[in-house]
Amino acid sequence: DAKTTQPPSMDCAEGRAANLPCNHSTISGNEYVYWYRQIHSQGPQYIIHGLKNNETNEMASLIITEDRKSSTLILPHATLRDTAVYYCIVRVTNNDMRFGAGTRLTVKP
Amino acid sequence: GAVVSQHPSRVICKSGTSVKIECRSLDFQATTMFWYRQFPKQSLMLMATSNEGSKATYEQGVEKDKFLINHASLTLSTLTVTSAHPEDSSFYICSARMWTGDGYTFGSGTRLTVV
Repeated sequence: DAKTTQPPSMDCAEGRAANLPCNHSTISGNEYVYWYRQIHSQGPQYIIHGLKNNETNEMASLIITEDRKSSTLILPHATLRDTAVYYCIVRVTNNDMRFGAGTRLTVKP
Repeated sequence: GAVVSQHPSRVICKSGTSVKIECRSLDFQATTMFWYRQFPKQSLMLMATSNEGSKATYEQGVEKDKFLINHASLTLSTLTVTSAHPEDSSFYICSARMWTGDGYTFGSGTRLTVV
C-alpha cells in the first residue's frame, strides 16, 4: 500500500472548517483513500473513503486531487469534540488497515 | 451499524501472569479480525491478523507464543498475553472486517497495565 504523509499537528478554531491534508504521491490506480480518527483512549472511528471522486457524508468531505497524489479531509464546522488524531490511509480493498503517524487536530474555543 | 465489543476495557495484572482480551462482533459475522497495539503517543501497530478457523498471521517482530490469538467463531477472537511483563503494558485494539464488503469496525480498546 502507498505511503502517506500528514502534518503532525494542526489547530482549528471552533466553528470553522478544519482542512486536513494528506500526500500520497505513490498511490496506485486501485488504491482507495481512507480517513479514520482516534479520540483519546478510544478505538479508531471511520470517517470517509474514496477512490477518485470527491465524497461527502454526514461527518466530513473528502477532496481528492485529479492526479490522486493528495487529498484533503474537510470537517465543515469543527467542534471541540472533533479534537483527535486523524489518520489518512491508502490501501487496496481487502488489504490490512495500517496506520501512519496521523495529524493531531486540536479544536480551540 | 456494525459494532465490535472489546472486553475488558482496562486490566491490571501482575508480572508473569496471563491476560485474555475478547473481541466480539455483535451484529455481523467477521471472517477476519485484526489485533493492534498502541504505545503512548504512538500510532497503532498491527500485531496479527486472525481468520476464523485457521491460525493467525503475525507481523514481523511479534512473538506468536507470547501473544496467542484464537478465532474460534465468526463473532469472537481472543488475544492472550502470556507471561506478561511491564513492557507489555499498552493499549490493545481489535478490529473486525465484515463477511461482505470491506468495512472495518474497531473495538474500543483494552488498556493493559502489568505491574
